[in-house]
Amino acid sequence: GAGVSQSPSNKVTEKGKDVELRCDPISGHTALYWYRQRLGQGLEFLIYFQGNSAPDKSGLPSDRFSAERTGESVSTLTIQRTQQEDSAVYLCASSLFQYNEQFFGPGTRLTVL
Amino acid sequence: GQQLNQSPQSMFIQEGEDVSMNCTSSSIFNTWLWYKQEPGEGPVLLIALYKAGELTSNGRLTAQFGITRKDSFLNISASIPSDVGIYFCAAHYGGSQGNLIFGKGTKLSVKP
Repeated sequence: GAGVSQSPSNKVTEKGKDVELRCDPISGHTALYWYRQRLGQGLEFLIYFQGNSAPDKSGLPSDRFSAERTGESVSTLTIQRTQQEDSAVYLCASSLFQYNEQFFGPGTRLTVL
Repeated sequence: GQQLNQSPQSMFIQEGEDVSMNCTSSSIFNTWLWYKQEPGEGPVLLIALYKAGELTSNGRLTAQFGITRKDSFLNISASIPSDVGIYFCAAHYGGSQGNLIFGKGTKLSVKP
């Protein structure tokens, strides 16, 4: 069956521009997570959705970062006024319910010039 | 804040050798997980541990949840070239909604 998909796979943008990253979770998965992975580092939690609600936004690094989820399905992570330190791979994961196994997408590699 | 200290950072081994890596923390966790990530892909779950002292195997992989609940190790026996990748430990931290904290990873290279 289809796994978690993310688009675009690569995004190069100029400093100061806004970007939108998309995640399509596995159908029927109620929980959705966004993580950031800097080069050579582990994954850093950003935000968690249960259904369309985000009970835990504690990992968002600044108010330039926001995310939404609609239809208990697709999620969009938006980064406004991108900075060079935002360059990273952004990974999305979904799970059937919270605490179930998380299945990861391939990530979006964001490069801010 | 809570942190997972994973070691070694990288390993270069010969095919057929056994591998051991571990994760430690000053915090107590209820679940320890081990993931493998290959280039251009997201992490894939290898083994999940739910109980202190638990020892679980998945083929050539064996992992243990430390008795103190502050550490875990992963062993790979008789390594093969397709074991190459980055291995991450992860844990569910208290008060979370299921989100994970990750170690920085162990990069494994296997020479045929």
